[in-house]
Amino acid sequence: SYELTQPPSVSVSPGQTATVTCSGENLGNSYVCWYQQRPGQSPVLVIYQDSKRPSGIPERFSGSKSGNTASLTIRGTQLVDEADYYCQAWDSSTYVFGPGTKVSVL
Amino acid sequence: QVHLEESGPGLVKPSETLSLTCSVSGGSISTDYWSWVRQPPGKALEWIGFVYSTGLADYSPFLKSRVSMSVDVSKHEFSLHLLSVTAADTAVYYCARGGLSAPLDHWGQGALVTVSS
Repeated sequence: SYELTQPPSVSVSPGQTATVTCSGENLGNSYVCWYQQRPGQSPVLVIYQDSKRPSGIPERFSGSKSGNTASLTIRGTQLVDEADYYCQAWDSSTYVFGPGTKVSVL
Repeated sequence: QVHLEESGPGLVKPSETLSLTCSVSGGSISTDYWSWVRQPPGKALEWIGFVYSTGLADYSPFLKSRVSMSVDVSKHEFSLHLLSVTAADTAVYYCARGGLSAPLDHWGQGALVTVSS
């Protein structure tokens, strides 16, 4: 089955840049989305089609992809950005989620 | 603004059927795709499947043998049925707008379903 790989955790100081990566064998052939999930809350779409931001998502969130690795970058990280972040791709008629990365703002 | 809300029993006995409904407001139930995603306690998100108003549906290969979904356009809602549940099906179940490769751009608040006798 298709799998996505993310680091379990990323730590960042307030105001600095956090980068979360997502790797998968066929990721280069699929659009990638990123979801933010704060503790006890529902997921929120923050990036779609690799690098597009939905309305209402702050500009400090950006996405990119190179080959089979996608990245979510949070510039000027704020305390409110502390959350789990999941990448998601579409493969063979199936949505696949990554295992999630806990971003801690310390 | 699209609003989704899950409803259904919070406790289901092993071997029985888990049934949830998602009420949709502010969106077009008949022209959008609708998905279900679940999250076991402390674990990652898991896609269950999506459904369209025509009855077109696609399910996770891991759950395909036990899942069915449907849309009731007149009631502005869509449903999930998961057969023969076990403790491993205990999770928060989310409904969301999106399917057929489209991003999941609106989510419900989630419904915790516990499988226990």
